[in-house]
Amino acid sequence: QQQVKQSPQSLIVQKGGISIINCAYENTAFDYFPWYQQFPGKGPALLIAIRPDVSEKKEGRFTISFNKSAKQFSLHIMDSQPGDSATYFCAASIETSGSRLTFGEGTQLTVNP
Amino acid sequence: DTAVSQTPKYLVTQMGNDKSIKCEQNLGHDTMYWYKQDSKKFLKIMFSYNNKELIINETVPNRFSPKSPDKAHLNLHINSLELGDSAVYFCASRPPGQGAFGANVLTFGAGSRLTVL
Repeated sequence: QQQVKQSPQSLIVQKGGISIINCAYENTAFDYFPWYQQFPGKGPALLIAIRPDVSEKKEGRFTISFNKSAKQFSLHIMDSQPGDSATYFCAASIETSGSRLTFGEGTQLTVNP
Repeated sequence: DTAVSQTPKYLVTQMGNDKSIKCEQNLGHDTMYWYKQDSKKFLKIMFSYNNKELIINETVPNRFSPKSPDKAHLNLHINSLELGDSAVYFCASRPPGQGAFGANVLTFGAGSRLTVL
């Protein structure tokens, strides 16, 4: 059972454009929603995270939008740069579960110069 | 200076062999994990240890046996390797303070790519 579904599987954006990646979850007990960024040959690294008590969180060019009633959250990358080309994973966990992160399937983002 | 280091980075072996992957973290974290990333890049948790105690054991064949000699190390031993075990295995760690927002940040190693022929 895939508890966190992510789309699209791949995304190509022009430099300066907006990249949008969407995730939907099923378990209403989830209370922590991070996004991880993975470059080839590297491990995933935390990019930005949100709790369900806020609807939006912004850090630089990266914004998470959260819709609790729809059980959906999304990552927006403004002014996308070629250096943002990577695989992005959404994830969800229950904070008291020992950080058993359930990951989405990943989105391969390519930003063309 | 590497926060979470895994060895080896690459491992090529024959079916039926036994192999180990080692992980060490120098962050002072007390919880460590093993994740498996398959060929489609899907990440799935396998095990988690907190202060040398097993706290998460997902549905993983018992050919996989984690060992944590101390809270800075978590090794993964795999017996009787099968073709389907080919994947990238990631070690990760988390700081103490369950329930605190910042404590949910996992730091991943660079991965160990296992190829079973």
